[in-house]
Amino acid sequence: AQSVTQLDSQVPVFEEAPVELRCNYSSSVSVYLFWYVQYPNQGLQLLLKYLSGSTLVKGINGFEAEFNKSQTSFHLRKPSVHISDTAEYFCAVIFTGTASKLTFGTGTRLQVTL
Amino acid sequence: GAVVSQHPSRVICKSGTSVKIECRSLDFQATTMFWYRQFPKQSLMLMATSNEGSKATYEQGVEKDKFLINHASLTLSTLTVTSAHPEDSSFYICSARRGVEDEQFFGPGTRLTVL
Repeated sequence: AQSVTQLDSQVPVFEEAPVELRCNYSSSVSVYLFWYVQYPNQGLQLLLKYLSGSTLVKGINGFEAEFNKSQTSFHLRKPSVHISDTAEYFCAVIFTGTASKLTFGTGTRLQVTL
Repeated sequence: GAVVSQHPSRVICKSGTSVKIECRSLDFQATTMFWYRQFPKQSLMLMATSNEGSKATYEQGVEKDKFLINHASLTLSTLTVTSAHPEDSSFYICSARRGVEDEQFFGPGTRLTVL
C-alpha cells in the first residue's frame, strides 16, 4: 500500500534551536517528494522538492531535506528556527503511475517559542 | 509568477443553500486543477481532479452530485457545494498546474461554514 506518514503531530522547539520534522513513506514504485508549509488560514507554499539527482535538497527559508531511499524517508531540517517558522508542515508524495496526484501526510505543527 | 487565487476566502451560509467557490490561475494557463478538503487540524484530502474542457474525476467517496466541479477555461475552475449541510463545513483549497510534469500551485483556501 502507498502511504505517507508524519509521526510527529506537534514539535515544540525554542527559537534558534535546530529542528527535524520526520516523514516516511511506503511505496513499491518510484516517488517524488515534497514539503509544504501552511500558515494559519492560508494555502500551501512549497518549501522544497526531490525529483531526482542529489538526495540533499535545499529549499526556501533555510530548510533542507534528505531523501533516504533505503529508509524510505524524507526528513525536513533547519539548523536554527525562528518564531516566524511556526506553522503546519506537510510532507507530500507523488507515487509514479498516479497521474501526478499528491498524497499528503497528516502534518506536523511546528511551534517555535522564545 | 504562478499565483492561484480563490474567491471567496470565507463564506457562511444556511443549511440547504448552494455555495460556489472560484479558483483562478492568475498568470498561467492551468490544464489541470485540483480540489482539496481540509478538516481542522488534519491533512488535505483530494476531492477531485479537473481538466479543462472535460468532466472532473472524483476520488472514491466524494459525491459528484454534491460537489459540482466545472473547469470551463484554462484559468478558472469552480466548485459548487450543493444543498450544503453543517458536515460540509471545511476549508477548501484548490491547486493548479500547467502540465503533468509541473508542480501544483495552491490557492489560499476558502473557509466554508454551514449553519
